[in-house]
Order: sequence, then structure tokens, then C-alpha cells
Amino acid sequence: GAVVSQHPSRVICKSGTSVKIECRSLDFQATTMFWYRQFPKQSLMLMATSNEGSKATYEQGVEKDKFLINHASLTLSTLTVTSAHPEDSSFYICSARGTGAGETQYFGPGTRLLVL
Amino acid sequence: GDSVTQMEGPVTLSEEAFLTINCTYTATGYPSLFWYVQYPGEGLQLLLKATKADDKGSNKGFEATYRKETTSFHLEKGSVQVSDSAVYFCALNHMDTGRRALTFGSGTRLQVQP
Repeated sequence: GAVVSQHPSRVICKSGTSVKIECRSLDFQATTMFWYRQFPKQSLMLMATSNEGSKATYEQGVEKDKFLINHASLTLSTLTVTSAHPEDSSFYICSARGTGAGETQYFGPGTRLLVL
Repeated sequence: GDSVTQMEGPVTLSEEAFLTINCTYTATGYPSLFWYVQYPGEGLQLLLKATKADDKGSNKGFEATYRKETTSFHLEKGSVQVSDSAVYFCALNHMDTGRRALTFGSGTRLQVQP
């Protein structure tokens, strides 16, 4: 099946710094990528949808200026958590879909962010 | 808006027991339905899906049938193994309207004991 990677898998940062998370589709072109957030023992909550070459669409309650999403190519989307705070600590998961992978979404392994 | 409701876990079973994890949904139109599995320390993996009423998705011994009359998509397996221990998420999206983002249920943790 299609493979989606995320980097880094884990990151610890100090409060006030910015962290960039990469999501790559390895063997297909992802026309759309999704970013989710998962709190411990809870479900995934959609943060934003990004289409290659256009601005991301954010879900209600998600701060655009805090969670910057760039989808500059058909195989790469990035999520930057700006001025991170301890409450941003979470598990961030991306998924990707594209014509090469059919309608199915394929998920990355997730990035665990800990803000001290 | 759309919503997915799953039975609360954890569900604890002995090896070779029969598994059912209930899932019901609320949505307009004709959503596609999915089951995803998340093994400890890993990302979500698609387990099975169904895109229209009465479709049955199946994979690795797991099955689920899209029941529009009861708005359900219950997951079943006839004989679970220890390796099936994971968190299972029911989800839907709207390929019919173009909204591809998934709406997830809260997840059900399955623990299979030897």
C-alpha cells in the first residue's frame, strides 16, 4: 500500500520556540493532505486540510497563525507549531490522499511533540 | 454535523473469542465508512472500508457491513489473537460531496489475553 512518512517522530522543545513537522507521501502524489491532533486516549481531531499549491483550510477553533501549514509540492506538507506552549504538547498525525492512492487516506506514523 | 459513536473500551477478551465493536454514525447523504487500527506506538492503518449501503468490508479476518437502515458499521472477528490488541477507530467521510477529511469515533481499545 501507499506509504506516508513523518519527521521527526518525536520532538521536545522549549516553550516559545517553533517546531516544524514534515509529512511526505513516498510512493504517490498527494493532492490533499490532512493534519490531525490526537490527545492521549482520545480520538483524532482534524486541524486542517491542505491542497497542493493553495492555502490550507482550517477547522473551527484552530489558530491559523499558530499552526502554519505549507503544501508546496505533491509529496510534502509541513506543519509548523509557532511559539509553542505546553498545551500544544500532543500527537500530530498527517494523512494523505491522491489519485495514485485512490480515495483512501494513508496515515503517517505521527509525531509526538512535548513542549517544556 | 457528522458524528461517529463507538462503544467505550477497553474490551478485554481471551484468545479465540468472538469480537464485536459497535459503531453507529450520524451523517447526511451517503458517507463512506472505515475502520482504522492503531497498534501501540504506531500510526493509524486502514483495516477495512465500505462505500455504499450493504457493502461488506473485510481484511485479516475482520468484517463490517454498511447498514444504512440502522446507520451502523459494527466490526466483527470470529477468533481474536493476542496480536489484535490495539485501538480501533470507526470513521466516515463524504466522497459524495468532496469532503474527504475523516470524522473519527473516540476509539475502542481491545486487549486480547492469551
